[in-house]
Amino acid sequence: KQEVTQIPAALSVPEGENLVLNCSFTDSAIYNLQWFRQDPGKGLTSLLLIQSSQREQTSGRLNASLDKSSGRSTLYIAASQPGDSATYLCAVGNNDMRFGAGTRLTVKP
Amino acid sequence: NAGVTQTPKFQVLKTGQSMTLQCAQDMNHEYMSWYRQDPGMGLRLIHYSVGAGITDQGEVPNGYNVSRSTTEDFPLRLLSAAPSQTSVYFCASSRMLGSGGYTFGSGTRLTVV
Repeated sequence: KQEVTQIPAALSVPEGENLVLNCSFTDSAIYNLQWFRQDPGKGLTSLLLIQSSQREQTSGRLNASLDKSSGRSTLYIAASQPGDSATYLCAVGNNDMRFGAGTRLTVKP
Repeated sequence: NAGVTQTPKFQVLKTGQSMTLQCAQDMNHEYMSWYRQDPGMGLRLIHYSVGAGITDQGEVPNGYNVSRSTTEDFPLRLLSAAPSQTSVYFCASSRMLGSGGYTFGSGTRLTVV
């Protein structure tokens, strides 16, 4: 059974700082890995999708990498802003999609 | 583009009542799934479907039924609601299993008293 772990569970940083969120998974035979953002009381917004043949994806200030051999993915956020405050979830897809519990990020002005 | 639409947004049920959570997508996605989200536990897969007429169980299927009579719709039925089913329910869809990104609905917040 696929297990997905996200560390840290919560993170607080000052505005402008670069930061890294971590995601690890136990079964490396995955189709894809997806990072989501969730604001309080809201649904999930897709940020980046990395398919199994890819190593990384970039969108604006976000960069996600995937290392299937080690079962790890990182989400790098550059020059963080208060508007980045949210919970970030990673999900790993095989014949279903399994989620980590998320990292709650707070960016202080 | 409507994307994935879930109804209702909020619902309060009494223990033992049954109800159906609706999910519809207009993107012609083959894959649809239902998750529940509980504090500290992330999202857990309830049921999923890889196409019309095909469904399968996820991690936590007990107490829930699904059917997929059309590509667009994937309703989730609670047979006899229990307080343990108090949660936020999300429906998601994707073009093909494992090959594309997932699009989520905005969720249904269910309280069972």
